[in-house]
Amino acid sequence: GAGVSQSPRYKVAKRGQDVALRCDPISGHVSLFWYQQALGQGPEFLTYFQNEAQLDKSGLPSDRFFAERPEGSVSTLKIQRTQQEDSAVYLCASSRSAEGSYGYTFGSGTRLTVV
Amino acid sequence: GENVEQHPSTLSVQEGDSAVIKCTYSDSASNYFPWYKQELGKRPQLIIDIRSNVGEKKDQRIAVTLNKTAKHFSLHITETQPEDSAVYFCAASTDDYKLSFGAGTTVTVRA
Repeated sequence: GAGVSQSPRYKVAKRGQDVALRCDPISGHVSLFWYQQALGQGPEFLTYFQNEAQLDKSGLPSDRFFAERPEGSVSTLKIQRTQQEDSAVYLCASSRSAEGSYGYTFGSGTRLTVV
Repeated sequence: GENVEQHPSTLSVQEGDSAVIKCTYSDSASNYFPWYKQELGKRPQLIIDIRSNVGEKKDQRIAVTLNKTAKHFSLHITETQPEDSAVYFCAASTDDYKLSFGAGTTVTVRA
């Protein structure tokens, strides 16, 4: 596609509910990243995929967070038993470089609100 | 891990004036420094980046300077226009994939 597509655009979840956020990267992009952006803050790294391999998940805040990219294209970020502190914008980015050094293209994000 | 600090948090300038945003980083191994512009409710967009083997880079009205010794880098926007109003984020990376972002600077250009 022409850009990185994320869905849903907005998600309201009740505390304790599981959510799944989807990212469609630019076709052919090798690298895929998830970031969490709290209100008024810069994005914070969550995890990184090179094709289908999850090479770095050091930023996932707890074992309630899980990400996958089974076929090396679409990725899903799943949050189990959501809590209020999970409320944030979740940004996906992709890069054609295996090392991401050419600069990310970000999606518009999914704004998650946990009530 | 890497810690990036960004100043100021807000910046208001008169149209046509220059805007300067400064960032410092903690990890001397950082070698890639991009700047992103994010308009309200929209995606962050890369506007310029610099690598550690370069001291300065310019693209039309935007320039970035890097001082590796002092571990700081700056964004300069000249001849500001209303469409430059946005939140600007600096970032640093040691391994070319994981970016550590500053907290952002909200720039308002007054007509």
